[in-house]
Formats: sequence, structure tokens, C-alpha cells
Amino acid sequence: EAGVTQFPSHSVIEKGQTVTLRCDPISGHDNLYWYRRVMGKEIKFLLHFVKESKQDESGMPNNRFLAERTGGTYSTLKVQPAELEDSGVYFCASSQLTGASGNTIYFGEGSWLTVV
Amino acid sequence: GEDVEQSLFLSVREGDSSVINCTYTDSSSTYLYWYKQEPGAGLQLLTYIFSNMDMKQDQRLTVLLNKKDKHLSLRIADTQTGDSAIYFCAVVGPGTYKYIFGTGTRLKVLA
Repeated sequence: EAGVTQFPSHSVIEKGQTVTLRCDPISGHDNLYWYRRVMGKEIKFLLHFVKESKQDESGMPNNRFLAERTGGTYSTLKVQPAELEDSGVYFCASSQLTGASGNTIYFGEGSWLTVV
Repeated sequence: GEDVEQSLFLSVREGDSSVINCTYTDSSSTYLYWYKQEPGAGLQLLTYIFSNMDMKQDQRLTVLLNKKDKHLSLRIADTQTGDSAIYFCAVVGPGTYKYIFGTGTRLKVLA
């Protein structure tokens, strides 16, 4: 069974440009999460989809970030315009159960973003 | 809000045991996880423990939980060079799906 896949694995863009990260969750997982780790800091929650609906987007840093999950399958996270402080690793994760504590979530390998 | 803290670095010799520590603030945390991130790779779930347990062993890995002190540790027996990685502690509270992560501990294993 394929795991959570993310694309691109690495991206280097200039400040002010736009980048779109894509995540394909594990098949059958209704729950999809985005997390990110900026350099040397903790991994922080960005948002949570249940199917195509945003359940919780309280972790989104500002309105330069836009996440979508059309059709409840794959998700995209767009950063526009990118700033230097957006550099980091963006992890996508998915899970079968919704909202239950201890619900094990499976992470992708991350999309490493560098803004120069 | 919830805070999870880890020391940033740990260095051990190959064959020794490694102990990675984590403290958290929310006493209602119900599930506690250890993830491993190897260089250039994603997050790999190593193990997890329920809050009603105080120990869990899985091959070379031993997780200890002290709920009173809100302290979680991961012990790796017979540490190998392949264990060199960043180890993240994460906790989840009741009724929530948001994982709260620590900053990660970079483990370096010396040959």
C-alpha cells in the first residue's frame, strides 16, 4: 500500500514567487493534515481536512497560505507570495479516523522549501 | 498552550544506550509518540504509549512515562550508527487530533 506522497520533495524559489505543494494521502484516509517545521524549531500544525472540508485551519500563519482539497482526495498548499521565513519542511499526514485521540497519523516525507 | 520540550543534541558511542528525554505541560495528554527523522527523509513513527501505561518495550526501544512529572523518555539499547537521526516527541490531548511536537533531539552515534 502506498504511503503519503508529497511533491515536490525539494523546491528553491525566490522571495515573492509562488509555490504549490501537493499531497496525496493514503487511499481511503478521509483526514488530511498539514504541518511544517521551520529551521530548528518544532513541527507545528497548520490545518486539518476531513474529506474536502477544512475542519481546522487555526495553525495557518497568514493569508499568504492557501490550502485546498478538491474532491476530498489530494491536497495542495499554495504559498503566495513566498517570504524568507516560509523556508522549512512542509509535512503532510493522513489518517483513517477523525478526531479521536491516539488516532495514529502517517506522515509523508515532506516538501523541503527554500526561499531565497 | 501545550508545550513540549526536548534537549537539542545527544551524542553516544556505538553500542551504548541512548536516552532521549521529553517533557510536556498538558497533564491531560492521552497519547504520546516518538518519531524519527533521518537526514533528508520524512517522519517515521517509532512507537507510542497510552497515558495509562508507564512503560512500553519494543525490541531495542523502551519508552518510559512518568505522568506525575510529565516526563517521557525513549531508550535505545545497543545504539547503532543507523540510529543517527532527529527524534521528535509528540503528544495528543483528549478529543483532539492536533499533535504537539517538541523541537527534536539530534542523536549522533560515534563509531
